[in-house]
Amino acid sequence: IAGITQAPTSQILAAGRRMTLRCTQDMRHNAMYWYRQDLGLGLRLIHYSNTAGTTGKGEVPDGYSVSRANTDDFPLTLASAVPSQTSVYFCASGAGGTGANVLTFGAGSRLTVL
Amino acid sequence: DQQVKQNSPSLSVQEGRISILNCDYTNSMFDYFLWYKKYPAEGPTFLISISSIKDKNEDGRFTVFLNKSAKHLSLHIVPSQPGDSAVYFCAASAGSGAGSYQLTFGKGTKLSVIP
Repeated sequence: IAGITQAPTSQILAAGRRMTLRCTQDMRHNAMYWYRQDLGLGLRLIHYSNTAGTTGKGEVPDGYSVSRANTDDFPLTLASAVPSQTSVYFCASGAGGTGANVLTFGAGSRLTVL
Repeated sequence: DQQVKQNSPSLSVQEGRISILNCDYTNSMFDYFLWYKKYPAEGPTFLISISSIKDKNEDGRFTVFLNKSAKHLSLHIVPSQPGDSAVYFCAASAGSGAGSYQLTFGKGTKLSVIP
């Protein structure tokens, strides 16, 4: 089934540790995104990539980094996790181009930083 | 500054009645608006969209209305069913010309359809 795979599904992490959330899509979409969802705050964009080899900062990029070495993969790295990064993280992809940019989301990665 | 606002955190509706979810926006550059539905422990799924050059788009039980002058859109679900109980997110994009296809989301409205 075509879509987005995120890993891990859930993780508990000690503060100060490094963590990489993985995201892979098989739809050959140009654009990929990382959002975080927090209660009462909705979905906020962390980083995005319009095409392989390029990345950009979203609304809440501090403490996170991304890379886009190829079309399919878009990992999100927390270099030194802090408790405020406890959240549910969603990876998404979209074909881009003209028209409504309909994004396809993964099932999410729930991260708890203690 | 929140560019997409959903001012009602929650809404309860009887099964069979109409559900109306509202969304306001501030950025005049937005040219597409989308609604997403999210069940617990799942990712958001696309529901329906509307271009800024239209004022209505319908898909089965779901209709989205856009009032550009008021910078307001609404999602109507008729008739509402218990399976519609979910969090609904309004989202907007400012077009592909800028080379960026980001969606800006509202905070969501939790819809509960009571049997």
